[in-house]
Formats: sequence, C-alpha cells, structure tokens
Amino acid sequence: DQQVKQNSPSLSVQEGRISILNCDYTNSMFDYFLWYKKYPAEGPTFLISISSIKDKNEDGRFTVFLNKSAKHLSLHIVPSQPGDSAVYFCAASLYGGATNKLIFGTGTLLAVQP
Amino acid sequence: DVKVTQSSRYLVKRTGEKVFLECVQDMDHENMFWYRQDPGLGLRLIYFSYDVKMKEKGDIPEGYSVSREKKERFSLILESASTNQTSMYLCASSTTTGTSGNTIYFGEGSWLTVV
Repeated sequence: DQQVKQNSPSLSVQEGRISILNCDYTNSMFDYFLWYKKYPAEGPTFLISISSIKDKNEDGRFTVFLNKSAKHLSLHIVPSQPGDSAVYFCAASLYGGATNKLIFGTGTLLAVQP
Repeated sequence: DVKVTQSSRYLVKRTGEKVFLECVQDMDHENMFWYRQDPGLGLRLIYFSYDVKMKEKGDIPEGYSVSREKKERFSLILESASTNQTSMYLCASSTTTGTSGNTIYFGEGSWLTVV
C-alpha cells in the first residue's frame, strides 16, 4: 500500500529545458512534503520542501508545487543541467513533522542530456 | 554541516551471520533512522528512535533489531542475515527543533551483500 507514489520511474530531458517530476499521495493527513536527490552510491540529500499551508516554494532553479485537492506535488527544475542527473525521491510526513517520520516514494531517475 | 557517518560502506556476509551496521551523527539530533533502498521500492523505513534507548518499528522491521545506547549512535543488527537482506542501508538523523525540523539528513549508505 504505497502512500506516496512516483509513477514515472525515469525521465529524460535536454540540457536547458524544464524537468518536471511528479508525485502523488493518498493520505490527506500529510502536511509536509520534501524532495531528495540521490546520486549512485551516495546517500540522499535534501533539496527542497513545502508545507501544506503553501502551494509553491522556490529555491533557485528548483520549484515545488503542491495541489492539495489533487493530492499531487511536482518539482520543476529550470533550466536543467547535466549535474541534475540523479534519482529524485519525494517524501511526506504527518503532524507537521513532529515525528520526523518520512514516507518516501519509489523515486524517478532523471537523465539530463547535454 | 550535519554529518552522518556509516562505518562500513561495503560488506559481504554469509547467510546466517549476525551483522552490525553502525551509524554516528555529530549534530546532537534526537531522532535517528534506518532505511533500506531497493530498486523500484524506494526508501523503506526499518526502525527509528526518538531518544536514547527508545526505538520504534518502521514499515519493514522483520529480521532486524536496533540499539541506541548513546544519543549519537544508532546500530542496525541483522540477527541472522539472509539473501533477501542484500540491499543498500541508509542511516539518517533529524531534529524536531529549529528551522531544520522535518528535514532528515542521510549518511552515504552501506552496501550489504549476503551470499
């Protein structure tokens, strides 16, 4: 029973174009969402987050959008760079993250072609 | 910078062996976690701990146990390793206070192969 879903296992985009990674969740009690980036043989690193009281959060080339009614969030990377090639995980937490317990999606492998 | 250190990056163990994976964090974080990552399954939580000597089961605790005797150290124990425990194991830590609340920080991972 996957509460956080990333339905696209992989995505390929050209350098300079926009990358859009999608994530759906089923539990309406989730109130904090995060994106992590992972290179092979390394641990995931935090990228960007958003609280359920917002619908958008921006940090440089990365923007996360949250659509609570659709239970959907997306990560936009503009412009995409070859160094962005990695696996991206979305994650969700409950109760404002008081427990800090994150539930992760299955990941999307992004390949940015030069 | 937060540093989460996993003592062993690559291990090969035999079926039935007892395996210890060690993790240390240097940021005085209250919370520590053990995840495993498998292709197509994402990151799955094995165990977590909110405080010294406290532990709670995650989503896939079967075949594992943990120990947290000191705040900075969280150990994952495979009592009798099996081939289906071949995986990448990720330790993480976090704090519930301050601006970094809700963000967990991962170690570099330990690749375990059980033969």
